Amino acid sequence: GEDVEQSLFLSVREGDSSVINCTYTDSSSTYLYWYKQEPGAGLQLLTYIFSNMDMKQDQRLTVLLNKKDKHLSLRIADTQTGDSAIYFCAYMDTGRRALTFGSGTRLQVQP
Amino acid sequence: GAVVSQHPSWVICKSGTSVKIECRSLDFQATTMFWYRQFPKQSLMLMATSNEGSKATYEQGVEKDKFLINHASLTLSTLTVTSAHPEDSSFYICSANPRGLYNEQFFGPGTRLTVL
Repeated sequence: GEDVEQSLFLSVREGDSSVINCTYTDSSSTYLYWYKQEPGAGLQLLTYIFSNMDMKQDQRLTVLLNKKDKHLSLRIADTQTGDSAIYFCAYMDTGRRALTFGSGTRLQVQP
Repeated sequence: GAVVSQHPSWVICKSGTSVKIECRSLDFQATTMFWYRQFPKQSLMLMATSNEGSKATYEQGVEKDKFLINHASLTLSTLTVTSAHPEDSSFYICSANPRGLYNEQFFGPGTRLTVL
């Protein structure tokens, strides 16, 4: 299977919370990331979490990590139309320092 | 801070020509830069890792003679697509690790290459 898996699409209403999930296979990954990509643009680093942490909160963003199940999630509180984008989960291969990405989840926010 | 730029943002070229893409870290030094490729509606795939002053490390299946990478300084890496063909059409994105901050990777805005 893929190294990093994400669901392809999520639709929410403006003001609701969004939860984007990700599962990964590399048990040696030390950092896990969430990036946002708007159409035709590069990637914007939203947040990252060190593998010995369970949770990290940064304003409207909450990252939860279940290392046992190799599951990472990103919760966006009070989702706005400007949050509509593709969200990529990634982990760092500590040997190469390169990132391995999931396929991305397209978040659509309905007004 | 931590801004990465790419130039050009888009390019259209004829089959058989070569195209150079520049990646610059504008406000930090980057000992390591990475080149990724993204096909429409797909994820990013690592092509190569570029270290300043040394040869790039290419991923399996990436032709080093076709995708020439030069990392001449701590703020500039270039990717040259040689003898481009339509199948090389893609979105090329670079990223950079700030010196001493290996866990953070900042991405450029990408370059869309279309080969006719």
